[in-house]
Amino acid sequence: DAGVTQSPTHLIKTRGQQVTLRCSPISGHKSVSWYQQVLGQGPQFIFQYYEKEERGRGNFPDRFSARQFPNYSSELNVNALLLGDSALYLCASSPRTGGNTEAFFGQGTRLTVV
Amino acid sequence: GDSVTQMEGPVTLSEEAFLTINCTYTATGYPSLFWYVQYPGEGLQLLLKATKADDKGSNKGFEATYRKETTSFHLEKGSVQVSDSAVYFCALSVYSGYSTLTFGKGTMLLVSP
Repeated sequence: DAGVTQSPTHLIKTRGQQVTLRCSPISGHKSVSWYQQVLGQGPQFIFQYYEKEERGRGNFPDRFSARQFPNYSSELNVNALLLGDSALYLCASSPRTGGNTEAFFGQGTRLTVV
Repeated sequence: GDSVTQMEGPVTLSEEAFLTINCTYTATGYPSLFWYVQYPGEGLQLLLKATKADDKGSNKGFEATYRKETTSFHLEKGSVQVSDSAVYFCALSVYSGYSTLTFGKGTMLLVSP
């Protein structure tokens, strides 16, 4: 079975631009979460979606938005990019959103803002 | 709020040495505890987990015991290999309508032959 897939793997954007990152969860998983991992730090929670609805949001500005589609894939959008948005963006899928649920991570999208 | 504190790295060991990476946590509820591993250029892989006090998670020779009294979840391995070189993240999850992971900053492990 395919794991969590993310695209693109790398991209370079200019300050002020907008970017869209994509994630396909493991088949049968209905929950998708997004995390930002700045170099040298642990991942920080951005969003969680379950059954196409936002279930939780971390401490990120409104420039960050996301959505989940009927096939449970997800997109993360970041507007008005800043240099500080340069990071590895990780998508994680889970079969549900209950307690103790294991999260499976993709390889990530490396975003560089110049 | 919830937080995880890990020992700073890098931890440098020779092959077959004993490994301990310390992890302590603060949580508003009753957390589940996890260790994830990240190899260079890759995403995170779950290494082991424990969901209640005194549970021991284990996988690939790694072990960690959920210690509620000391709010700790230290990672141990009796004999490390060069292939264990990676960054290790301790994390917790508390359910409050949904579950997310709160990670520590990570500890880099370097194992030399």
